Amino acid sequence: NAGVTQTPKFQVLKTGQSMTLQCAQDMNHNSMYWYRQDPGMGLRLIYYSASEGTTDKGEVPNGYNVSRLNKREFSLRLESAAPSQTSVYFCASSEALGGFNEKLFFGSGTQLSVL
Amino acid sequence: KQEVTQIPAALSVPEGENLVLNCSFTDSAIYNLQWFRQDPGKGLTSLLLIQSSQREQTSGRLNASLDKSSGRSTLYIAASQPGDSATYLCAVITGANSKLTFGKGITLSVRP
Repeated sequence: NAGVTQTPKFQVLKTGQSMTLQCAQDMNHNSMYWYRQDPGMGLRLIYYSASEGTTDKGEVPNGYNVSRLNKREFSLRLESAAPSQTSVYFCASSEALGGFNEKLFFGSGTQLSVL
Repeated sequence: KQEVTQIPAALSVPEGENLVLNCSFTDSAIYNLQWFRQDPGKGLTSLLLIQSSQREQTSGRLNASLDKSSGRSTLYIAASQPGDSATYLCAVITGANSKLTFGKGITLSVRP
């Protein structure tokens, strides 16, 4: 029962470096999401993919790009990391976007520090 | 714009106490409301989901109620245990094809 798997769990970057956070789900879900969680700010949606082949901006997309590689995988890329991107990143998936019975399943998170 | 509020931000209770966690939202046109649990350094686990047409959902010692007209939900935890210590977040979906809006969570500590 892997569910939603994120890698890496921890990462330290220097300002200006790039990296990609990987996410994969094995529940045959259509929709996938990337959130960031910051103290005092709660969870904020960065990007989401309602279905394979589509991606859309969430609340805080600046500085990020995403790729829905296939139905299972959804990656988040930081092209030029900034200290403001220090956060805990969560990937999530659901059967479909915005349904009455939509339940989200979360990965265990990536703790990212940008120095 | 939907806003979800959870007050207080932190709560400490002795073991065995029955407790209520509150959640309020500004736009009552929701599709569903979910309660999540988050342990330190971990992801979120969905506890209960209440569809807009439902009034409550129960799972073991947990009971969540929903009053859409007043924009409120409560999570009732019976006979609290130290293992219930975690952060509890509520989130709502507002409208078709929309995404979850989260509250900031209530950090619960149950003292032995």
